[in-house]
Amino acid sequence: QKEVEQNSGPLSVPEGAIASLNCTYSDRGSQSFFWYRQYSGKSPELIMSIYSNGDKEDGRFTAQLNKASQYVSLLIRDSQPSDSATYLCAVNIPNRDDKIIFGKGTRLHILP
Amino acid sequence: KAGVTQTPRYLIKTRGQQVTLSCSPISGHRSVSWYQQTPGQGLQFLFEYFSETQRNKGNFPGRFSGRQFSNSRSEMNVSTLELGDSALYLCASSFAGTGLEAFFGQGTRLTVV
Repeated sequence: QKEVEQNSGPLSVPEGAIASLNCTYSDRGSQSFFWYRQYSGKSPELIMSIYSNGDKEDGRFTAQLNKASQYVSLLIRDSQPSDSATYLCAVNIPNRDDKIIFGKGTRLHILP
Repeated sequence: KAGVTQTPRYLIKTRGQQVTLSCSPISGHRSVSWYQQTPGQGLQFLFEYFSETQRNKGNFPGRFSGRQFSNSRSEMNVSTLELGDSALYLCASSFAGTGLEAFFGQGTRLTVV
């Protein structure tokens, strides 16, 4: 099982709808979870971090964490064409010296 | 507040050569991590330096090495370059380590010919 898994996409969502991005991880001891957005040809940009079970909201973005299910998600409300990018999930792996491991990312395409 | 600065932005090298990449972290950040990003493999962790000490290391050959200076600036060196080393090399700085939020530089695009 890969340490951090994401559906590669592309995920196509109509403008104005909710985009839902999912990520699963293998290490039950993981405590830190991050979502990065990466535009083509650019470096990853941190958009959300979450450390506790439940939801964390920041503007149009909501991160959801369920440690029992080893699942973290990112919801983007009122999707805009500018949200079209690759979204990377990152998780710390305690049994590997607390490294941050990235998923391969989900490509999101917002349809105008 | 200045962000993470990587130099150079682009490099073209020949197989067998060596290369040194530089990363200046956000002021006050003591942790610098290096990643290799390729289309097929995604973001692969190379190593992390904290207070001039390598604290974590990924699964890369010994040709990949790094160091960190007292001002937290870090360099990464790749010796005996191979075609497969062509990638975007990213560094990320964090206040205290890999368990906390990290911010990426713009990256160095290395092409080996």
